[in-house]
Amino acid sequence: ILNVEQSPQSLHVQEGDSTNFTCSFPSSNFYALHWYRWETAKSPEALFVMTLNGDEKKKGRISATLNTKEGYSYLYIKGSQPEDSATYLCADYNAGNNRKLIWGLGTSLAVNP
Amino acid sequence: NAGVTQTPKFRILKIGQSMTLQCTQDMNHNYMYWYRQDPGMGLKLIYYSVGAGITDKGEVPNGYNVSRSTTEDFPLRLELAAPSQTSVYFCASSPGGRSYEQYFGPGTRLTVT
Repeated sequence: ILNVEQSPQSLHVQEGDSTNFTCSFPSSNFYALHWYRWETAKSPEALFVMTLNGDEKKKGRISATLNTKEGYSYLYIKGSQPEDSATYLCADYNAGNNRKLIWGLGTSLAVNP
Repeated sequence: NAGVTQTPKFRILKIGQSMTLQCTQDMNHNYMYWYRQDPGMGLKLIYYSVGAGITDKGEVPNGYNVSRSTTEDFPLRLELAAPSQTSVYFCASSPGGRSYEQYFGPGTRLTVT
């Protein structure tokens, strides 16, 4: 199993702050990198699926970038709102893992009003 | 579309009992997955299926069995429940492999005492 690491583990910000998290993954045999948002007492929901080096994706105030050569992805939230409070998971789809996603432990974000 | 549905939502089992967790999707997805989520451990893949009649082991298959007789259904069977199987179980489906997001069910919270 090839590991996926996320940092920081948790983050507390004030409403209106912008923030970002990191996902590190093995750079060899890369296929795709997934980002999911997981609210407490709900199930994970997909934010982005990224496959190309240099890819940038955006959904409202949330955006993500991908660097497959060095094996990292950043998730950015601009002007955080209390409803952004959730755990943000990344998952690596790698040729070494035979059609399975390997999940990071997530970054838990709390946005204080 | 109902998406991915799971039953039951909650269950308490005694050690040694057996049960089946049901998962159904109405999106005609070929790929289906079973995960367990333990505190601080992230999502771990138990079993997955890439189509009716095809199943394969994930990271933590011991103590579980699955079947995939139809595209829609992917039940997870626990034989001889053990306290180590206390967890939240999520079923997910996807249209394909790496580039396709996974759609999660609401989860089943299982306690084995």
